[in-house]
Amino acid sequence: TQLLEQSPQFLSIQEGENLTVYCNSSSVFSSLQWYRQEPGEGPVLLVTVVTGGEVKKLKRLTFQFGDARKDSSLHITAAQPGDTGLYLCAGELEYNFNKFYFGSGTKLNVKP
Amino acid sequence: DTGVSQNPRHKITKRGQNVTFRCDPISEHNRLYWYRQTLGQGPEFLTYFQNEAQLEKSRLLSDRFSAERPKGSFSTLEIQRTEQGDSAMYLCASSLDNRDNQPQHFGDGTRLSIL
Repeated sequence: TQLLEQSPQFLSIQEGENLTVYCNSSSVFSSLQWYRQEPGEGPVLLVTVVTGGEVKKLKRLTFQFGDARKDSSLHITAAQPGDTGLYLCAGELEYNFNKFYFGSGTKLNVKP
Repeated sequence: DTGVSQNPRHKITKRGQNVTFRCDPISEHNRLYWYRQTLGQGPEFLTYFQNEAQLEKSRLLSDRFSAERPKGSFSTLEIQRTEQGDSAMYLCASSLDNRDNQPQHFGDGTRLSIL
């Protein structure tokens, strides 16, 4: 079993729709990162959240860290084809710094 | 900023052969990580270095795998006697000391295919 469970695994939506991706765990994390990865490339960092309840916005993307620092969500408003990609969450455990655990990813396809 | 550089980008080899990959991190980054990613999965941690010291190794890193970072700059990952199950994308990432939640910066990986 993975330490971080992401859902949904796959998401295919029309341009202009909203969506939310979830990243859940029973463990507490000192920080959590969201990445986007395109085929044949490495993951690119979108955001890092470190405080329980924290909300960060990056244009049409909104990231939230759960109050207990066990879960996170990524919400995309008015999705565009350029948002297509694999979205990964990765966490650093509270008592095991410097080792990052990744979720299995959400593959998003935004159709024009 | 040239980013994290990995080479080769692709490697195709026959089962049983040895392969070596190289990672050049961002120059001022003292931490370097190796991950393995298979299709449809997120990256799995293999090992990491603080400067030249290898501080942690995953159980995924069998005896056939060895990683080095001899001068605290570039790193190499060697796989001996490759098996078909070794086929994957091998990703390298670097960061500054992570006490302040410094982000990891990834290279574009080396895709290994074992025939």
